Amino acid sequence: QSALTQPASVSGSPGQSITISCTGTSSDVGGYDYVAWYQQYPGEAPKLIIYNVDSRPSGVSRRFSGSKSGSTASLTISGLQLADDADYYCSSYTSRTTHVFGTGTKVTVL
Amino acid sequence: QITLKESGPSLVAPTQTLTLTCTFSGFVLTTREVGVAWIRQPPGKALEWLALVYGDDDRRYCPSLKSRLTITKGTSNYQVVLTMASVDPVDTATYYCTHKYRDSSGYGYWGLGHLVTVSP
Repeated sequence: QSALTQPASVSGSPGQSITISCTGTSSDVGGYDYVAWYQQYPGEAPKLIIYNVDSRPSGVSRRFSGSKSGSTASLTISGLQLADDADYYCSSYTSRTTHVFGTGTKVTVL
Repeated sequence: QITLKESGPSLVAPTQTLTLTCTFSGFVLTTREVGVAWIRQPPGKALEWLALVYGDDDRRYCPSLKSRLTITKGTSNYQVVLTMASVDPVDTATYYCTHKYRDSSGYGYWGLGHLVTVSP
């Protein structure tokens, strides 16, 4: 299974909104509503911020939202804050009953 | 409160077998609704999903690594063991142990990670 495709980097200014894409195939992202997103700071374990395409775990800011269209999922961060400066990964369930992660996106808050 | 912790060797020689143990608390791995997975991250690189076992012993493996991986429930209901055969320097990574519910796509709880270096 191939890694899902994400842009290497996305940047924005505080207060702006940014969107990170996650492109797969009909065998993963396009076939199931089982996409998740993670935020990771350097030297730390990833943190789940979106699951099942658009659901937020308890305690995760409403500024994070997820969506999906066809084989591309998206994470939108609104009201960008300095604390959002981190790496972001998507993941999806696959037709082989496994999971696959994305290539990762570095978000820089200018 | 769910917590997970990875343990195992920090240095492994090439061609050897790596054995990692995940010891957790806050849940028991006895029902089909709960699972524990291993995910790794080479230095400076992306996350890679390795294997998953549910409480009913339903096991899943990364297709490209399936021949080298074995995931098992430990002797207690609070451990999961991952073995990786024939390790190579490209297997150098931080290995994470994680928890998930079957009906959720997300891994909501993670261990701190354990760095394994493969080197002669």
